[in-house]
Amino acid sequence: SQQGEEDPQALSIQEGENATMNCSYKTSINNLQWYRQNSGRGLVHLILIRSNEREKHSGRLRVTLDTSKKSSSLLITASRAADTASYFCATAGGTSYGKLTFGQGTILTVHP
Amino acid sequence: DAGVIQSPRHEVTEMGQEVTLRCKPISGHNSLFWYRQTMMRGLELLIYFNNNVPIDDSGMPEDRFSAKMPNASFSTLKIQPSEPRDSAVYFCASSLVQGFQETQYFGPGTRLLVL
Repeated sequence: SQQGEEDPQALSIQEGENATMNCSYKTSINNLQWYRQNSGRGLVHLILIRSNEREKHSGRLRVTLDTSKKSSSLLITASRAADTASYFCATAGGTSYGKLTFGQGTILTVHP
Repeated sequence: DAGVIQSPRHEVTEMGQEVTLRCKPISGHNSLFWYRQTMMRGLELLIYFNNNVPIDDSGMPEDRFSAKMPNASFSTLKIQPSEPRDSAVYFCASSLVQGFQETQYFGPGTRLLVL
């Protein structure tokens, strides 16, 4: 199956709650990235975590990486209606050309 | 910087017609990627270039699809002849490859509808 599979496929929460999305992958990686896609728009890079890192923060985002389990999670704290979007994990590894392998994404809906 | 520029933003055509999608990457970036996104198949990598050279076109669905990158600031994706199943949003993305921490910058996409 595909590298970078997100779980859950869809998540619906209330504003102010935390949202956690998970990503699993199959092969060794150099880094793992998370992207957001608002409806009708292109993907936007959120955060990158290297294979030798375990946790990274950026504002309300927290990403963890467990290379032994080949999994990552993205936590969005204190969610806002504007966080409503699709979130994709993408893995990079094995080439020096910048190729990423994207998962199917998690659709996050934050209700005001 | 203007970001990745794609044109047209929307394209409606009839089956059998030739379609050409255009992309201008971010200045200074050396890798360029073409993706296709549909509800059924998600985001698919079609082809990517590094320093204007095609590296991997294994994602191109059929011979009806072709892509070129004649210089560092322009790329095209052509579908000839187009079919209804080609209807999708096509994204171009670029990145500056410097080791293994590259991020990709996506254009706004071209929404293609083949009737």
